[in-house]
Amino acid sequence: NAGVTQTPKFRILKIGQSMTLQCAQDMNHNYMYWYRQDPGMGLKLIYYSVGAGITDKGEVPNGYNVSRSTTEDFPLRLELAAPSQTSVYFCASRPGQGRENQPQHFGDGTRLSIL
Amino acid sequence: QQPVQSPQAVILREGEDAVINCSSSKALYSVHWYRQKHGEAPVFLMILLKGGEQKGHEKISASFNEKKQQSSLYLTASQLSYSGTYFCGTEMPGGYQKVTFGIGTKLQVIP
Repeated sequence: NAGVTQTPKFRILKIGQSMTLQCAQDMNHNYMYWYRQDPGMGLKLIYYSVGAGITDKGEVPNGYNVSRSTTEDFPLRLELAAPSQTSVYFCASRPGQGRENQPQHFGDGTRLSIL
Repeated sequence: QQPVQSPQAVILREGEDAVINCSSSKALYSVHWYRQKHGEAPVFLMILLKGGEQKGHEKISASFNEKKQQSSLYLTASQLSYSGTYFCGTEMPGGYQKVTFGIGTKLQVIP
């Protein structure tokens, strides 16, 4: 089992460029999440999804978009990258309703720098 | 609603005990505790689902006071491997399992 896989692990972008951070899980989890973590800070929820075709905003959604066409994949899109989006991005998944005692499983993160 | 953690940082000598607190201004459904080492992903420690529930393994345990809307993480007889940043995550009733994290408590254990 690979768990939660994030790609790429590192990326440098120029201001104004766009990119997609990939996240895939092989645990058949219904719920998936995107967080960003700035240096020395906690995890801020960007978007989350409770199933294919269903997404919702978290605490800091501005500048990002998501889609969930399959249970396995939950890509995060950055449009017009800005220096304020320099951060480490973590994707996580969780089984779903009825299994509330199960934790989130985190990917290894994508370290993104925007210059 | 981001939970509030305290203290923000603590330094311990090996063998000493520590308590990390997590509180919320809203009613909670569950509290999650994670530890993160520098440059790594958060690692799950435990979930507390019911008010008054206590959980633990080895020398790390936690309690959840539903009435006070707070949780505490207890580390006893600390080891060097306990160093890292501890995060609590809180989940509201009916919140689609949306977990919101505090800013973390940085714990350093020294010999």
